[in-house]
Amino acid sequence: NAGVTQTPKFQVLKTGQSMTLQCAQDMNHEYMSWYRQDPGMGLRLIHYSVGAGITDQGEVPNGYNVSRSTTEDFPLRLLSAAPSQTSVYFCASRPTWGETQYFGPGTRLLVL
Amino acid sequence: QKEVEQDPGPLSVPEGAIVSLNCTYSNSAFQYFMWYRQYSRKGPELLMYTYSSGNKEDGRFTAQVDKSSKYISLFIRDSQPSDSATYLCATSEKYSSASKIIFGSGTRLSIRP
Repeated sequence: NAGVTQTPKFQVLKTGQSMTLQCAQDMNHEYMSWYRQDPGMGLRLIHYSVGAGITDQGEVPNGYNVSRSTTEDFPLRLLSAAPSQTSVYFCASRPTWGETQYFGPGTRLLVL
Repeated sequence: QKEVEQDPGPLSVPEGAIVSLNCTYSNSAFQYFMWYRQYSRKGPELLMYTYSSGNKEDGRFTAQVDKSSKYISLFIRDSQPSDSATYLCATSEKYSSASKIIFGSGTRLSIRP
């Protein structure tokens, strides 16, 4: 099992550019989520999904879009990048019943 | 006010010391409490998990929850340099994935050899 994988590991964008952060898991977990981690702010939930075709907003959804067409994949789209979106982004998955949330290795994003 | 408050540190202690990490929370509906460990440039990983009030021990680690004061703690005995990491507390209302997990901001811990 690869667990939760994320690509790219690091990305530099210019203000206004768009991009998609990829996330995939091979554990057949229904629940997937995206967090951003900023110094002093901890992990903040951006969007989450409880299954294919179902997504919902978290704490800080503005400027981000998600879709979930398969159980395995949960991409995060930045529509028009802003410097405030400079952060480390983590994707996570969790079984329907269980306490363990598995995190990917993260994507470091720098918006200039 | 944040739902989960955690002192960011950094906290630096000598090897072998007992470490105490703490969080407070505001929502009395939280029933599940977790501690995650995050090494530098890695994703968080679940370290300890407890339900409701009480203690749970796993090797050198003890998680403690006091729901009456909305206070959660993680104790590390005989601390090792390999314990140097950021520790995040987290809570949720329900056991299932339908319940969101709320994280504290994390405490950076350094164990000096």
